[in-house]
Amino acid sequence: NAGVTQTPKFRVLKTGQSMTLLCAQDMNHEYMYWYRQDPGMGLRLIHYSVGEGTTAKGEVPDGYNVSRLKKQNFLLGLESAAPSQTSVYFCASSYPGLAGYEQYFGPGTRLTVT
Amino acid sequence: GEDVEQSLFLSVREGDSSVINCTYTDSSSTYLYWYKQEPGAGLQLLTYIFSNMDMKQDQRLTVLLNKKDKHLSLRIADTQTGDSAIYFCAESPVLSGGYNKLIFGAGTRLAVHP
Repeated sequence: NAGVTQTPKFRVLKTGQSMTLLCAQDMNHEYMYWYRQDPGMGLRLIHYSVGEGTTAKGEVPDGYNVSRLKKQNFLLGLESAAPSQTSVYFCASSYPGLAGYEQYFGPGTRLTVT
Repeated sequence: GEDVEQSLFLSVREGDSSVINCTYTDSSSTYLYWYKQEPGAGLQLLTYIFSNMDMKQDQRLTVLLNKKDKHLSLRIADTQTGDSAIYFCAESPVLSGGYNKLIFGAGTRLAVHP
């Protein structure tokens, strides 16, 4: 099993450009998540999904959109990138449940917006 | 509100014990976690403790939970250079809004020197 994979690993964007980050998991998990990690801060949840075709906002959703057309994939889109979106982005997945289920993380995507 | 705090940096000598501390605010949290992040990688679950326990031991790792003070600690015995990483404390509140919510601290960077 590959676990959780993320594409691309690194990306540099100019302000105003758009891009899509792809997350894929092969563990048949229902729940998937997108986080961002900034220096000196814990991971903050951007959006999450509790199943195919459903998405919901997390703690810091502004400037991002997501889609979950297939159970194994969770896409994060930036329509018009801003320097404040320079960060490391992590995708995670887990079994369903309100608490207590381990989240499995991908290796991250380092995004720089100039 | 929900908040998890931890000190940002810890330096120890190889072979000594490391103790990483964390405080959290949500007394309803049923699970508390320690995740490890090695350089350039995603987070990996190291260990967790259920809220009705006060101690959990797993080989070189000991987790202590003081529910009254909302204090969690991770002790690593015989610390090795391979333990150098960032350690994140996370809580899982019961009232999570319909998903497996995790609240992360900012992470403690553990540096192990000879």
